[in-house]
Amino acid sequence: GENVEQHPSTLSVQEGDSAVIKCTYSDSASNYFPWYKQELGKGPQLIIDIRSNVGEKKDQRIAVTLNKTAKHFSLHITETQPEDSAVYFCAASYGQNFVFGPGTRLSVLP
Amino acid sequence: GAVVSQHPSRVICKSGTSVKIECRSLDFQATTMFWYRQFPKKSLMLMATSNEGSKATYEQGVEKDKFLINHASLTLSTLTVTSAHPEDSSFYICSAKGGPSSTDTQYFGPGTRLTVL
Repeated sequence: GENVEQHPSTLSVQEGDSAVIKCTYSDSASNYFPWYKQELGKGPQLIIDIRSNVGEKKDQRIAVTLNKTAKHFSLHITETQPEDSAVYFCAASYGQNFVFGPGTRLSVLP
Repeated sequence: GAVVSQHPSRVICKSGTSVKIECRSLDFQATTMFWYRQFPKKSLMLMATSNEGSKATYEQGVEKDKFLINHASLTLSTLTVTSAHPEDSSFYICSAKGGPSSTDTQYFGPGTRLTVL
């Protein structure tokens, strides 16, 4: 089956710096990779996604890159703000389901 | 667009009682809905997948008689925790697939915090 790893598990950055979170997946059949942001006590919110026929996608301060050959994808957040502090989950499609990474707790220090 | 609601947001019940959690897609028809359970500081654990009008598919290790799932319409799925015990206390989150921009994307509800005394 699909296995998704995510690193780092925790990340602290200064406000204004960039943050990068990396994920790897095992099943070459996966073709859709969303990223979710989860704040404490709330459900995950989709922040960006990418399909396997695209190498990079950007939405304002957030970008995702995908290396299909190496089976890894990354989330890049630039000009971080305190409100970016949350837990971020990557996921890879597996049939009609998703397999989620273990999450990264991002802290943006003012 | 693509809003998913869950009700209730919090519920406290006594051991042995049953609790029903509703998940609704408010502005789109959800072909598939998913139920997850999340333990503190952990990732999302898929419990079951349900398609409208058919029986849910449960993940290995999830008791189908304990966690009853009904997906009676394209906008509503319910999870009933039967004969709840303290070990069932958790954060339950639903998601729905079939939003306006993508048939692949899952949109999550806000979650339900269940506490069994």
